[in-house]
Amino acid sequence: AQSVAQPEDQVNVAEGNPLTVKCTYSVSGNPYLFWYVQYPNRGLQFLLKYITGDNLVKGSYGFEAEFNKSQTSFHLKKPSALVSDSALYFCAVRGYGSGNTGKLIFGQGTTLQVKP
Amino acid sequence: KAGVTQTPRYLIKTRGQQVTLSCSPISGHRSVSWYQQTPGQGLQFLFEYFSETQRNKGNFPGRFSGRQFSNSRSEMNVSTLELGDSALYLCASSSSGNTEAFFGQGTRLTVV
Repeated sequence: AQSVAQPEDQVNVAEGNPLTVKCTYSVSGNPYLFWYVQYPNRGLQFLLKYITGDNLVKGSYGFEAEFNKSQTSFHLKKPSALVSDSALYFCAVRGYGSGNTGKLIFGQGTTLQVKP
Repeated sequence: KAGVTQTPRYLIKTRGQQVTLSCSPISGHRSVSWYQQTPGQGLQFLFEYFSETQRNKGNFPGRFSGRQFSNSRSEMNVSTLELGDSALYLCASSSSGNTEAFFGQGTRLTVV
């Protein structure tokens, strides 16, 4: 069964410091991995994806994520956090194959709080 | 390009009633998926439609149904509403179902 774990309910960082939001996954076959961000009373905004290729993926708003196959992880990172980055972040996985089309499995979400 | 549009944004219904939510995908996108978001269960997949056919279905009772029209617009219907159906319902579209999905703002359903 496919699953995603985000081990931290909340991450607190000071503005200007680097941030990491952790994600591990379990899926049979090659994973398609995604990060989304959600602001209050809004839908999810796509940040970045890993399908294949380079393990370091760059996305929107200065975010990047590192795919690590041996550790089955896909941590979200940003070198310098902004107060405006404060939001709820979701990691998601889709398994390979026709039975998984359109179906994203989400982690429980991590609230990122960036303090001035 | 316009994003994914969901209507209505907010809805209040009474237990036992039924409700229909609408989703217009990004132009050219043929895959539309629906998700339920609640504080307790998080984000859960409901179903996915592609070219008017349901391709994938999550673990929800038969009260939850959907359809897709020839212009890729989609509707989901919930019959015999229960208090536990109160949630944010999100629609997402993608070009094929295998690429990144783009989400609408959601419909906040409250069942009283």
